[in-house]
Amino acid sequence: GENVEQHPSTLSVQEGDSAVIKCTYSDSASNYFPWYKQELGKRPQLIIDIRSNVGEKKDQRIAVTLNKTAKHFSLHITETQPEDSAVYFCAASKTSYDKVIFGPGTSLSVIP
Amino acid sequence: DGGITQSPKYLFRKEGQNVTLSCEQNLNHDAMYWYRQDPGQGLRLIYYSQIVNDFQKGDIAEGYSVSREKKESFPLTVTSAQKNPTAFYLCASSPTGRYGYTFGSGTRLTVV
Repeated sequence: GENVEQHPSTLSVQEGDSAVIKCTYSDSASNYFPWYKQELGKRPQLIIDIRSNVGEKKDQRIAVTLNKTAKHFSLHITETQPEDSAVYFCAASKTSYDKVIFGPGTSLSVIP
Repeated sequence: DGGITQSPKYLFRKEGQNVTLSCEQNLNHDAMYWYRQDPGQGLRLIYYSQIVNDFQKGDIAEGYSVSREKKESFPLTVTSAQKNPTAFYLCASSPTGRYGYTFGSGTRLTVV
């Protein structure tokens, strides 16, 4: 079945610096790649997603890139702020009807 | 106010007991999912249902059971066969033909 790997497992950055989280997936049929942010004790929330027909997508300080050939996708957060501190999950699925498989998560700490 | 509600927020189970976690949504979503979250392991899929009266096993279904008698409800029973049930359980839903999950606020189950 589909497997999603995610690195690093923990990441600390200074406020204002950039953070990058990388994921790989195993099933070449996957074509939807969402990213979720989970603050301590709260539910995961979708922050950005990308489909396989797009190589890059941006939303203010957040961007996601996708390399379908290499089966890699990455989350980039620029000008990090303390409120960006959370666990971030990448995920993959084949279609909108299909289950979503999550990576193990990256705990991001932004140091003021 | 549309959303997905999980109850209870905290649940304690004695050894050998079955317990049922509730998940209700009023978003008119067809698909519903149960995930288990353990530290450092991300979200693992237990069961999912794409339509009433039908459901499929996820990656870690052993020791769990579900039912989907109504579109709005997808309860999860943790049976005594689940040897390590202490975890955070998340329910999610999604509309047919569209991407993206909405998560509930979770139930933290502890074996005492």
